[in-house]
Amino acid sequence: SAVISQKPSRDICQRGTSLTIQCQVDSQVTMMFWYRQQPGQSLTLIATANQGSEATYESGFVIDKFPISRPNLTFSTLTVSNMSPEDSSIYLCSVRSGRGGNQPQHFGDGTRLSIL
Amino acid sequence: AQKITQTQPGMFVQEKEAVTLDCTYDTSDPSYGLFWYKQPSSGEMIFLIYQGSYDQQNATEGRYSLNFQKARKSANLVISASQLGDSAMYFCAGYALNFGKGTSLLVTP
Repeated sequence: SAVISQKPSRDICQRGTSLTIQCQVDSQVTMMFWYRQQPGQSLTLIATANQGSEATYESGFVIDKFPISRPNLTFSTLTVSNMSPEDSSIYLCSVRSGRGGNQPQHFGDGTRLSIL
Repeated sequence: AQKITQTQPGMFVQEKEAVTLDCTYDTSDPSYGLFWYKQPSSGEMIFLIYQGSYDQQNATEGRYSLNFQKARKSANLVISASQLGDSAMYFCAGYALNFGKGTSLLVTP
């Protein structure tokens, strides 16, 4: 299974600032996924990052707030822009272990973000 | 899209007993899959087991098994011989990358 390194593991930020989260995979993957997990809640898909094209955002998430880069097949970044306390969450990146919807996802350890 | 529903916010089970965590889904696709993940308090997401809609048998992985009832659109996770380390959040997820609300399982001595 893929090994995913995500950093930072946690951060405390001031409101109005931005933070970029990095996700590195030890193998080449077509799609990388970014999730948000608000305190005590389930995971919500933010967007799918495809190499060589614009990310695909889910309803309720916009590129201006969560810009994503995907410069190559092993790396992606998610930026949380103009942060407010409501953005305090765990942000996770994931990849599928293979092609096809029957392949499980493997996750990074997450970035715990607190906004003051 | 496949909608995932987990109706048990929290469950208790005694060590060495079996426990069933419920998951129902709603989809019009003939081909689909269901996944279960475990999230301990440390936060990492751990894949447990997968069931495909065309699989002839219920999936099993060690102490984990799925009670898959297609007509009822349910894919319940059964954990046998519970251990203290099984205490965690458990999420049912669909092939469309969507997750249920989760069930918090506490295993007691």
